[in-house]
Amino acid sequence: NAGVTQTPKFRVLKTGQSMTLLCAQDMNHEYMYWYRQDPGMGLRLIHYSVGEGTTAKGEVPDGYNVSRLKKQNFLLGLESAAPSQTSVYFCASSYSLAGASTDTQYFGPGTRLTVL
Amino acid sequence: RKEVEQDPGPFNVPEGATVAFNCTYSNSASQSFFWYRQDCRKEPKLLMSVYSSGNEDGRFTAQLNRASQYISLLIRDSKLSDSATYLCAVTRSNTGNQFYFGTGTSLTVIP
Repeated sequence: NAGVTQTPKFRVLKTGQSMTLLCAQDMNHEYMYWYRQDPGMGLRLIHYSVGEGTTAKGEVPDGYNVSRLKKQNFLLGLESAAPSQTSVYFCASSYSLAGASTDTQYFGPGTRLTVL
Repeated sequence: RKEVEQDPGPFNVPEGATVAFNCTYSNSASQSFFWYRQDCRKEPKLLMSVYSSGNEDGRFTAQLNRASQYISLLIRDSKLSDSATYLCAVTRSNTGNQFYFGTGTSLTVIP
């Protein structure tokens, strides 16, 4: 099993450009998440999905869109990149509902995005 | 108020020392609790779940105090390889399976 994979690993964009980050998991997880991690801010949830065809907003959704057309994939889109979106983006997935203390989130290796 | 708060450190300790981290959470509906480890420029990885009765995994001990709303992580006999950032995470019963992460506590173990 590859676990959670992310594409690309690094990217540099100019302000106003668009791009899509791809997250894939092969663990048959229902739940998938996109976070951004910035110094001093910790991990902040952007959007998440509780199953194929569903998406929901997290803590910092503005400027991002997501799609979950297939259970194993979760895409994060930036329509018009801004320097404030320079960050490290992590995708994660998990299997069961909250309350299962044995459940956890599994993270991808991250995408380092710089917006100039 | 932040959902989860941690002392960012840094904690610099000598090899063999015992070090403890605390993490406080603000919502009494918090249901599941975890400690993650994150190495520099890597993704977070689960270190251990935290159970109500407390749990131990080798040199690592996690405790939960629901009355005071905090979780703790104790590392005994610190190794150089323990140097990392430690993140606590909680979930709430009323927000699906959203995880709320602390900003992390940095640990450096010195030879």
